[in-house]
Amino acid sequence: DAGVTQSPTHLIKTRGQQVTLRCSPKSGHDTVSWYQQALGQGPQFIFQYYEEEERQRGNFPDRFSGHQFPNYSSELNVNALLLGDSALYLCASSLWTGTSINEQFFGPGTRLTVL
Amino acid sequence: AQSVTQLDSQVPVFEEAPVELRCNYSSSVSVYLFWYVQYPNQGLQLLLKYLSGSTLVESINGFEAEFNKSQTSFHLRKPSVHISDTAEYFCAVSEANAGNMLTFGGGTRLMVKP
Repeated sequence: DAGVTQSPTHLIKTRGQQVTLRCSPKSGHDTVSWYQQALGQGPQFIFQYYEEEERQRGNFPDRFSGHQFPNYSSELNVNALLLGDSALYLCASSLWTGTSINEQFFGPGTRLTVL
Repeated sequence: AQSVTQLDSQVPVFEEAPVELRCNYSSSVSVYLFWYVQYPNQGLQLLLKYLSGSTLVESINGFEAEFNKSQTSFHLRKPSVHISDTAEYFCAVSEANAGNMLTFGGGTRLMVKP
């Protein structure tokens, strides 16, 4: 079992550019959540996808968007990059439980640096 | 909305000494509580969780945490730490009936010295 995988590992962009990050969930999982972890801080919830739809969203602007594919993998897109978007972006997968709770498994993250 | 406060940003401790990492939360509804560990350049790993039942929960590597509803706390403890426990520890909360959205604290860096 490969667990949750993310690509790329590192990425450097300049202000105003757009970026796409990718995540493959753990085998058997159907739900993907994305978190942003700024340096020295705890992760912050961006959004969650299930059945190719955004189910929950945190307090992030519309510049952050996502997609989930039929094979449950997911992409996180960020437009018009700002210096403050520099962070470790974590993907977590789980089984959909509706309003209940289920363990989330995290990937190693993608380190995004915006210059 | 829920929030999580980890009172100590860094905790230095000598090997084989006991340690407590403090976590307090704020929520108007029932919550589930978690501790995650993050080693350098890695993602988060679940250490232990409280969903219901016994308020004392244990991990396989000697950590334990106790849910205290009256004090809204979920402190993490270990009676004897090892060098390999050096890592960043995050407390997280999820509100009941709110799905899998986690709210994390700012983290506590545990530094175990020989």
